[in-house]
Amino acid sequence: GAVVSQHPSWVICKSGTSVKIECRSLDFQATTMFWYRQFPKQSLMLMATSNEGSKATYEQGVEKDKFLINHASLTLSTLTVTSAHPEDSSFYICSALQGAEAFFGQGTRLTVV
Amino acid sequence: LAKTTQPISMDSYEGQEVNITCSHNNIATNDYITWYQQFPSQGPRFIIQGYKTKVTNEVASLFIPADRKSSTLSLPRVSLSDTAVYYCLVGPPILGGFKTIFGAGTRLFVKA
Repeated sequence: GAVVSQHPSWVICKSGTSVKIECRSLDFQATTMFWYRQFPKQSLMLMATSNEGSKATYEQGVEKDKFLINHASLTLSTLTVTSAHPEDSSFYICSALQGAEAFFGQGTRLTVV
Repeated sequence: LAKTTQPISMDSYEGQEVNITCSHNNIATNDYITWYQQFPSQGPRFIIQGYKTKVTNEVASLFIPADRKSSTLSLPRVSLSDTAVYYCLVGPPILGGFKTIFGAGTRLFVKA
């Protein structure tokens, strides 16, 4: 199947700094990508829909100024967590659509200290 | 999007067949049913997708009754490595793909 790669796999940052997470579709083009957040023992929560060449669509309750999404090419979407705080520590997962099927990245473990 | 209800957890033993049922009473006419598997600290992995009746692939079968208000994921002869969380998703295609919303999932524990 199609491959979606996230980078980095894990990151530790200091409170108040910004962190960028990349999501790449390696062998296909994806006009639509999704970003999720998952806390321990919980399900994935959809944060936003990333559309190539246009603004992302955020789910209710997700701060668009804190979680900046850029989908500048058909193979790359980035999520930047700005002014990160310990409560932003979580597992962030992206997915990219190929047809009607969603392929997921391996996730990025963010720890804010 | 149709809401889904799954058992929170299930236990099984190696070699047994496991059936996980998902209820989706409000499924719409153009909704598809998709199952994903997730291991700890990994992204979900697609297992199977169907619209009606039965779908089978190399890893699982998906049974969907005529009213489509539920579906059952069947894993034949599970092994320890099948211990994971299994998610049932129901939704319409949007812009050529799914806006995948995850429910709570079912934690499957396979014992030796």
